[in-house]
Amino acid sequence: EVHLVESGGGLVQPGGSLRLSCAASGFTFSSYWMSWVRQAPGKGLEWVASIKQDGSEKYFVGSVEGRFTISRDNAKNSLDLQMNSLRAEDTALYYCARTHDPRGWGIRTFDYWGQGTLVTVSS
Amino acid sequence: DIQLTQSPSSLSASVGDRVTITCRASQSVSVFLNWYQQKPGKAPNLLIYAASSLQSGVPSRFSGSGSETDFTLTISSLQPDDFATYYCQQSYITSWTFGQGTKVDIK
Repeated sequence: EVHLVESGGGLVQPGGSLRLSCAASGFTFSSYWMSWVRQAPGKGLEWVASIKQDGSEKYFVGSVEGRFTISRDNAKNSLDLQMNSLRAEDTALYYCARTHDPRGWGIRTFDYWGQGTLVTVSS
Repeated sequence: DIQLTQSPSSLSASVGDRVTITCRASQSVSVFLNWYQQKPGKAPNLLIYAASSLQSGVPSRFSGSGSETDFTLTISSLQPDDFATYYCQQSYITSWTFGQGTKVDIK
């Protein structure tokens, strides 16, 4: 059974940093793209970042470009999101999601999700 | 970025009703369009991918259609478990985006 468990959330001051982690199990981690998706309190979903199987390609939503980095350790089945220069608008529940292309031609789906870790940016 | 606009933003319906939610893209996304269901306090769940393909394990009362800029999610006969918020998502261009969501509640 696929299992994704996020950790590392918490309260941080504006301008501060936080590192989120996602522990994956139940599937061949190195065979899948992985992503972070966030949801501000009471709001909709926002894709944040994705990383290719071998880490050679990384993509970010414009609002976090240059502030967030995504990385993975395939030996440890783990995914990280390093968040720097945090702003109030980064406050959200951050989900780790397995990113699957069921047709093999670019349809990126988020087919498994963790339960999320809450990041609150406030003074 | 490609903008996805869902309509309506919310709707009230009864068990057994046929429900249709639309998602319009600001430019063509071909069939690179997926649908998710999210219940309060839970992570989203993939329902439909590639505009019309049913994800494994999802009840057949859910269906999707459309291409290019106009897409539809249909629930043929609404069940109590279906009261939730639904999101469309495009993966045609990386900066993948979601629609703003459609909340389906009980009439």
